[in-house]
Amino acid sequence: AQSVTQPDARVTVSEGASLQLRCKYSYFGTPYLFWYVQYPRQGLQLLLKYYPGDPVVQGVNGFEAEFSKSNSSFHLRKASVHWSDWAVYFCAVSSQGTGSKLSFGKGAKLTVSP
Amino acid sequence: AQTIHQWPVAEIKAVGSPLSLGCTIKGKSSPNLYWYWQATGGTLQQLFYSITVGQVESVVQLNLSASRPKDDQFILSTEKLLLSHSGFYLCAWSLGLGGGAETLYFGSGTRLTVL
Repeated sequence: AQSVTQPDARVTVSEGASLQLRCKYSYFGTPYLFWYVQYPRQGLQLLLKYYPGDPVVQGVNGFEAEFSKSNSSFHLRKASVHWSDWAVYFCAVSSQGTGSKLSFGKGAKLTVSP
Repeated sequence: AQTIHQWPVAEIKAVGSPLSLGCTIKGKSSPNLYWYWQATGGTLQQLFYSITVGQVESVVQLNLSASRPKDDQFILSTEKLLLSHSGFYLCAWSLGLGGGAETLYFGSGTRLTVL
């Protein structure tokens, strides 16, 4: 069965510092991977997605992620964090076919300190 | 552009009372539609999906039901709420192209508190 593990439930980063949020996936075959962001009391917004191809994926607001098949990972990165990045970040893996089932990790709550 | 609207924004309901949550998608014909549930502070769990009017598939049994009465509308309901139904309910849509994995686009959610 497909699954995602986000090992860091809470992350605190100083504004302007770099960020990495880790994601490990379990999937038989070639995975389709996503990062979503959830701002306080809001729905989810897509940051970026990986479909088989270039392992480094660029997303919105300066985010990028790198797929590694050997490490079963899809880590999210940002070079310089802004206070507006304060949110919960979810990694997800999707099955193919009818009614694509998106399986989410438990999320990583990012706090940005001044 | 496609828009997704969920209603109500929030609900406070008593245990044992009925519930109906709704979701409407505009600007896209025949989308795939999904209901997700998020326990407070938790991850998201897919509840139902629908690829066409009148057809709904259940993914997780939580004493809830879903219906798709129109192409652009998805309803989540129950006749008797439980305390465990509290949480955040998210509706989502995808293009419904079939084949490869699809990107899901989420609504702003409904926060349900059951007392």
